[in-house]
Amino acid sequence: GIQVEQSPPDLILQEGANSTLRCNFSDSVNNLQWFHQNPWGQLINLFYIPSGTKQNGRLSATTVATERYSLLYISSSQTTDSGVYFCAVPSATSYDKVIFGPGTSLSVIP
Amino acid sequence: DAGVIQSPRHEVTEMGQEVTLRCKPISGHDYLFWYRQTMMRGLELLIYFNNNVPIDDSGMPEDRFSAKMPNASFSTLKIQPSEPRDSAVYFCASSLMVQPQHFGDGTRLSIL
Repeated sequence: GIQVEQSPPDLILQEGANSTLRCNFSDSVNNLQWFHQNPWGQLINLFYIPSGTKQNGRLSATTVATERYSLLYISSSQTTDSGVYFCAVPSATSYDKVIFGPGTSLSVIP
Repeated sequence: DAGVIQSPRHEVTEMGQEVTLRCKPISGHDYLFWYRQTMMRGLELLIYFNNNVPIDDSGMPEDRFSAKMPNASFSTLKIQPSEPRDSAVYFCASSLMVQPQHFGDGTRLSIL
């Protein structure tokens, strides 16, 4: 089945810094989602981005499906950005399922 | 618009007891997913429904777990009898055509 990798696994940032999180996948995909799991455990949709670039405030995401990766950019990070960031792509064996990456754990310190 | 609603938010019970988790998906969504999250195994898909019909329950750990979706606005995940290793956060998610999926706030289950 499709393999999903995320890097880095852990990241510590000073408030105000910028960062780039990466999601690599082993097969071509036609859908990709980025989630933020906040310290309270809630899974929040960030982007649904099969291809191209989307922006939402300080966050933006770019998916290059042909090269099998997606990037999540966080600019001017805030402590509320702390948590775990997951990407999720459709399973190669079952269109109805999605496969989650292992996540990037982000800590933003004041 | 209301998101996916799960209840209860927290459940603490003794081993051997029956546990029922509830989920109300977003109106109009045709897919409903049940996930379990633990530190060791991350997010695992347990079962999913399409138009109220269970499609794939291969992620259900064992026969102690069962799930139903009697109508488009309600689903339950039941564990009977519960065991300490079932302790986890259980999420329900819904979607229109698989993605994007929208998650509820989860149920934090502790089995003593």
